[in-house]
Amino acid sequence: GAGVSQSPSNKVTEKGKDVELRCDPISGHTALYWYRQRLGQGLEFLIYFQGNSAPDKSGLPSDRFSAERTGESVSTLTIQRTQQEDSAVYLCASSPTWDRGNEQYFGPGTRLTVT
Amino acid sequence: GEDVEQSLFLSVREGDSSVINCTYTDSSSTYLYWYKQEPGAGLQLLTYIFSNMDMKQDQRLTVLLNKKDKHLSLRIADTQTGDSAIYFCAERRNDYKLSFGAGTTVTVRA
Repeated sequence: GAGVSQSPSNKVTEKGKDVELRCDPISGHTALYWYRQRLGQGLEFLIYFQGNSAPDKSGLPSDRFSAERTGESVSTLTIQRTQQEDSAVYLCASSPTWDRGNEQYFGPGTRLTVT
Repeated sequence: GEDVEQSLFLSVREGDSSVINCTYTDSSSTYLYWYKQEPGAGLQLLTYIFSNMDMKQDQRLTVLLNKKDKHLSLRIADTQTGDSAIYFCAERRNDYKLSFGAGTTVTVRA
């Protein structure tokens, strides 16, 4: 079956522009997560959705970052007025429900480069 | 500092065993995971272990958990060139968040 997909796979943008990253989770997965991975580092939690509500936004680094989710499907992560330090790979994951012990299924990520 | 720590690099000869080590800090962690990331690909869950277990074996993979020392290891038997990747250790606490280490880059040499 289809896994988690993300688009675009690569995005190069100029400093100060807004970008929108998309995640399509596995069908039927109620939980969705966004992470950021800077070069040579582990994953940094950004935000978690259960359905279309976001009970935990604590990882969003600044108010330039926002995310929304439509129903239990696609999610978009928006970064306004991008800065060079926003350059990273943005990973999305989904799982059947938050209280399962195991598997968050990851997408391939969007590599964002801010010039 | 990092909640989950791993050594950054491991070089191993093809056919030998690889052992990747990880330490974590939160004794309330419920599940611990090993993920594999190949170049240009997303993270793939390799295996996980519940915190009340001390060992789990899955084909060439063996996970050992020492809860007292908060130490997790992943052993890959008969390491192959396809095992070259970055391996991430992650812990899940009593909520939904995963906390990842920085990853161990495993290089398999002929």
